[in-house]
Amino acid sequence: DAGVTQSPTHLIKTRGQQVTLRCSPKSGHDTVSWYQQALGQGPQFIFQYYEEEERQRGNFPDRFSGHQFPNYSSELNVNALLLGDSALYLCASSLAGGDHEQYFGPGTRLTVT
Amino acid sequence: DAKTTQPNSMESNEEEPVHLPCNHSTISGTDYIHWYRQLPSQGPEYVIHGLTSNVNNRMASLAIAEDRKSSTLILHRATLRDAAVYYCILRAHSGGYQKVTFGTGTKLQVIP
Repeated sequence: DAGVTQSPTHLIKTRGQQVTLRCSPKSGHDTVSWYQQALGQGPQFIFQYYEEEERQRGNFPDRFSGHQFPNYSSELNVNALLLGDSALYLCASSLAGGDHEQYFGPGTRLTVT
Repeated sequence: DAKTTQPNSMESNEEEPVHLPCNHSTISGTDYIHWYRQLPSQGPEYVIHGLTSNVNNRMASLAIAEDRKSSTLILHRATLRDAAVYYCILRAHSGGYQKVTFGTGTKLQVIP
């Protein structure tokens, strides 16, 4: 059983560009959450998707948007990239409910130049 | 969102027990206490979680204070593989959907 997979592994973009990151959840999971992790910091919650809708959102601007597909996979889109968007972007999947553990993918390392 | 407070770093000798503390004084009645760890260049890995009672699994034990304002992750015999950043987080159960707030975690160093 494949765990959570993310693509691409690494990405380099220029300021002002747009980027799309992809995530496939662990088999059987219906909820996907996205996190941003700056170097030396803990992951910061961006948003969570369940039943193809954004259910919870952290303190991130509208430049960050997402989507969940009927097969539960998800995309994270970031528009008008800033240098400060350089980070590791983590996807985590779980079953809905606070008593279920999250499984994290290896992350996508985004560098904005 | 309820926050957690952890020491920035801790050291342990190999094969000795490790007690990693976490304070969460603003925890609400429906918040689950989760622990994750992150090895260098990897995504976080689930360790254990609980609500009110102490919990054990193959990786660790979780001791939860009676007032739930603090908890302790216990690694019974630290190995070099346990060197990681450990995060204590609260998963609020709000209508089935949860925000999650990570702190800066505790960096555990295991000394051979």
